[in-house]
Amino acid sequence: DVKVTQSSRYLVKRTGEKVFLECVQDMDHENMFWYRQDPGLGLRLIYFSYDVKMKEKGDIPEGYSVSREKKERFSLILESASTNQTSMYLCASSLWGVPGANVLTFGAGSRLTVL
Amino acid sequence: AQTVTQSQPEMSVQEAETVTLSCTYDTSESDYYLFWYKQPPSRQMILVIRQEAYKQQNATENRFSVNFQKAAKSFSLKISDSQLGDAAMYFCAYRRGYGGATNKLIFGTGTLLAVQP
Repeated sequence: DVKVTQSSRYLVKRTGEKVFLECVQDMDHENMFWYRQDPGLGLRLIYFSYDVKMKEKGDIPEGYSVSREKKERFSLILESASTNQTSMYLCASSLWGVPGANVLTFGAGSRLTVL
Repeated sequence: AQTVTQSQPEMSVQEAETVTLSCTYDTSESDYYLFWYKQPPSRQMILVIRQEAYKQQNATENRFSVNFQKAAKSFSLKISDSQLGDAAMYFCAYRRGYGGATNKLIFGTGTLLAVQP
């Protein structure tokens, strides 16, 4: 019954490494999102995508990039990981164009530690 | 810019009792949606309840209900007959009502609810 799958629950990386966080949804949703969750800061939007190959910056895009080559897959890329990117990363998806909807379905999260 | 404020970082409630989590928001829009999401420990975030700003009636989902005060920009969540499974982080969120696909949810900082047996 899993609908939004994040490939890794826990990752440990070194400073300067390139990191890929993968997210796949099986609900045929148009919208996909990457959030970062930190204690006391809530969820902050990094990037989102409303269609294949389309992306828009969220509130904190610096140090991140994304890729959406297929509708069901949305990848978050840390080009050169830094310790301040240690965090929980949440992927989510939603339908487009349904008035009043935009209810997000979340993945289980990926906890990244950068040493 | 819209903001969402949850002023209670932590709350505690006895099993079977009622608890209210507070949320205030700031917006100049008249058309928007408000949400409460629940994040259990080590589990996925799920939607608890949703309120459309144009509806005066408060939303209710079983033991969960909201007190939506549009003029005061307040959106509190009431949990009745609290159960151990209600222990979680609760996030309040706001979304503008128009603008289509690129609307994003703005989240508060969360309230960690503990349920005491």
